[in-house]
Amino acid sequence: EAQVTQNPRYLITVTGKKLTVTCSQNMNHEYMSWYRQDPGLGLRQIYYSMNVEVTDKGDVPEGYKVSRKEKRNFPLILESPSPNQTSLYFCASRQTGEGFQYFGAGTRLSVL
Amino acid sequence: GEDVEQSLFLSVREGDSSVINCTYTDSSSTYLYWYKQEPGAGLQLLTYIFSNMDMKQDQRLTVLLNKKDKHLSLRIADTQTGDSAIYFCASGAGGYNKLIFGAGTRLAVHP
Repeated sequence: EAQVTQNPRYLITVTGKKLTVTCSQNMNHEYMSWYRQDPGLGLRQIYYSMNVEVTDKGDVPEGYKVSRKEKRNFPLILESPSPNQTSLYFCASRQTGEGFQYFGAGTRLSVL
Repeated sequence: GEDVEQSLFLSVREGDSSVINCTYTDSSSTYLYWYKQEPGAGLQLLTYIFSNMDMKQDQRLTVLLNKKDKHLSLRIADTQTGDSAIYFCASGAGGYNKLIFGAGTRLAVHP
């Protein structure tokens, strides 16, 4: 079954404690992306990757890092989380070109 | 920058039609999408329309695109309680690199 898998689904952490949210897709997609969803703001892109070892900033990249060492994985790293990063995070993938994106189920993060 | 706007809330009676509206600013958008998000779930692609089309129908769903006014609408016929969700409009922005999402319209269906 084609899917995008995020882990963990829920995470509560404290300010400054490094964390990683994993994302994996099984569709051999070249393009992967991270979004955050906040009430009244919709989804905003954090980072995206057009292919292995190719990443670029989205609209709200501050405080986040990503890596793309393998085609299937695109982890989101928060080196020093802060409370304003409390949000719902989505990973997505698609084939390069104008096509629709497949979304993961989301990771709800709370930073205390 | 590019922007997508939609109303935040819509309430309809079960069996009636729902119409969710969206406006976008990026005239270079190639595709326009409607995603559905049910509580606690990710985003599910509902339908999409290519920018050279005016209308697309898929069972209970009808998408209308007015490219001149940059206006997109989603009509759900015979709305059911299972249609209660947040609906996001998104435009395929330039360079194929990202989607621009609206804030989402929460559809509430009541008996």
